Order: sequence, then C-alpha cells, then structure tokens
Amino acid sequence: AQTVTQSQPEMSVQEAETVTLSCTYDTSESDYYLFWYKQPPSRQMILVIRQEAYKQQNATENRFSVNFQKAAKSFSLKISDSQLGDAAMYFCAYRSAGNYGGSQGNLIFGKGTKLSVKP
Amino acid sequence: DAGITQSPRHKVTETGTPVTLRCHQTENHRYMYWYRQDPGHGLRLIHYSYGVKDTDKGEVSDGYSVSRSKTEDFLLTLESATSSQTSVYFCAISGGQGRNSPLHFGNGTRLTVT
Repeated sequence: AQTVTQSQPEMSVQEAETVTLSCTYDTSESDYYLFWYKQPPSRQMILVIRQEAYKQQNATENRFSVNFQKAAKSFSLKISDSQLGDAAMYFCAYRSAGNYGGSQGNLIFGKGTKLSVKP
Repeated sequence: DAGITQSPRHKVTETGTPVTLRCHQTENHRYMYWYRQDPGHGLRLIHYSYGVKDTDKGEVSDGYSVSRSKTEDFLLTLESATSSQTSVYFCAISGGQGRNSPLHFGNGTRLTVT
C-alpha cells in the first residue's frame, strides 16, 4: 500500500522569505500523480500544485514550485516570497494512475504541515 | 470552483442517533468520495462511488454506509453515531478528463457526537 509522510508537523517563515515543506512517499508503482493542497482556517481544501510522475520537469505555479525526485520518492513544496495569506495547513497527496477512479483514484494524504507566516 | 455543496455545515448529535450527511454536485462527475479529517491523521477515505449505485469501502468504513441514487448526490450515513465519529467530513469529486484530474472538495461538515 502507498503511504505519504510529511515529517514537519509545523513550520514557520518570515514574510517575503522562502520556505520548503517536505514530503516523501512510498510506492511500487511507476505511474502516479502527486499533489499539494492548502487548507486555510476556513477549512476549504485548495489545490496548490500537481506533478505527473512521468514528467521530469518540476511543476511551478506562480510562487509555488516543487522539487520532485522520483528515485528518492520525494516531493517537496517551495513557497517563495511568502505572504500572510500562505498561512495554512499543507497536505501532500498521492494518487495512483493505474486504475482511474475507485480506490486507486483516491488520494492518499500525509498528515499535514502547519505553516505560520510571521509579519 | 467546482460545484460541490455539503450539508449541513455543522451538526451536533447524541451518541446512538442516526446521522446523514449530504454531498451535492453540479459538475456531473462520475466519481465521488467521502473523507474524514482528524488531527494527526490527515484525510482518510471512508467510502467512494464510481457511478450511480456503485460504491465501495475505503480505509475507515466501519460504522458508515453510503448511497448514490443519482449522479449528483452522495449520502453518508452514520447508523448509530459514536463519539469516535466526531470529525470533519469532506466530500470530493473527480472529473473524467484525465488521470491527473485533481479531486475537488466541498467545504466540509463538522460533526460533533456528544
């Protein structure tokens, strides 16, 4: 079974600085997708960024980028120029590509990292 | 934002009572999921559906049942609520436009069982 590990329960960053959130995963599959979701205090789950395992290039979305190391099974999220609105819980998630929908269309989540942003 | 509505937004109930949470989507997506979120556990899958009347169990399905009689509605029922089912419940939907389609989540239901 696949597992996702976020080893940093809490992180803190100064406004305008850069922070990196760690995520590792365990799988025997070669084709899969990885996601980062943000959950602010409003409780809403917001997709931040996604990465296809077959792509070598790291995904980027504005101030958010990932460092995807397939061999190491690592998928870290870098937030540049941190803003107060980035304060939230961040979840890393894995999704198998082997059988779309059903239990393998399910997202497997890490336990989350709570990010605080200091003004 | 994906059209997903969860109801109710909050609910307090007593141990032993039945509870039904509703998830309604306007996206006509085939796949729907129910998760629960607890501190220190992230989100865990309870049940999922891959079509009308097609459902299956997830990781933490004990004590829960689901039904999907229409594409747009996915109901989660706690037959006899227990304090261990106090949690935040999320519904999610997934589109069929590609395997990398992300799950889109509703705003959650906070359930307290006293």
